[in-house]
Amino acid sequence: GDSVTQMEGPVTLSEEAFLTINCTYTATGYPSLFWYVQYPGEGLQLLLKATKADDKGSNKGFEATYRKETTSFHLEKGSVQVSDSAVYFCARTYNFNKFYFGSGTKLNVKP
Amino acid sequence: ETGVTQSPTHLIKTRGQQVTLRCSSQSGHNTVSWYQQALGQGPQFIFQYYREEENGRGNFPPRFSGLQFPNYSSELNVNALELDDSALYLCASSRDGTGNTEAFFGQGTRLTVV
Repeated sequence: GDSVTQMEGPVTLSEEAFLTINCTYTATGYPSLFWYVQYPGEGLQLLLKATKADDKGSNKGFEATYRKETTSFHLEKGSVQVSDSAVYFCARTYNFNKFYFGSGTKLNVKP
Repeated sequence: ETGVTQSPTHLIKTRGQQVTLRCSSQSGHNTVSWYQQALGQGPQFIFQYYREEENGRGNFPPRFSGLQFPNYSSELNVNALELDDSALYLCASSRDGTGNTEAFFGQGTRLTVV
């Protein structure tokens, strides 16, 4: 069935390291794809999105490209900071702004 | 700050009780969706309201019910609470459209059932 799969965490990196969090999806049709971030004790904040194939979403140094051929939307950042420590959720829409979310990847960045 | 507010922020209830959670949508948004996020999991879709009508439901039993009011705010009601209902409940508001419009999430209500 339709779903979103993202790499399990936690991911622990040193400050200024390169980050990749993998996300793949299954879908009929052409969903929009999103990355949301959740800081401890808070709700979800939109990090970036892409609405069609080959679109690149970017925000705060994070990037992800909508790859239809590999059904992927991997999140990358060239140099992480301690303040990036959070849980990251990959999501896709279906049927009028309803979301399927992945299970989340916790990122710990050490000074 | 998304403009989506949820109340209360935390709640403790006893098994078997009933609970009502509230969500005020962002100005100009007529669609509210509710999600349940269990600890360590991604949010799961409960249901969506569009212009006061239910517009889709996830895999949740009928004891989960909702309402949307003319000002597009919304309530989530859960009857006969079970221990597994303990979770963070999130609401998201969006404008109607093709499904590519952004959804804004509230901070959530943390429900603990004891």
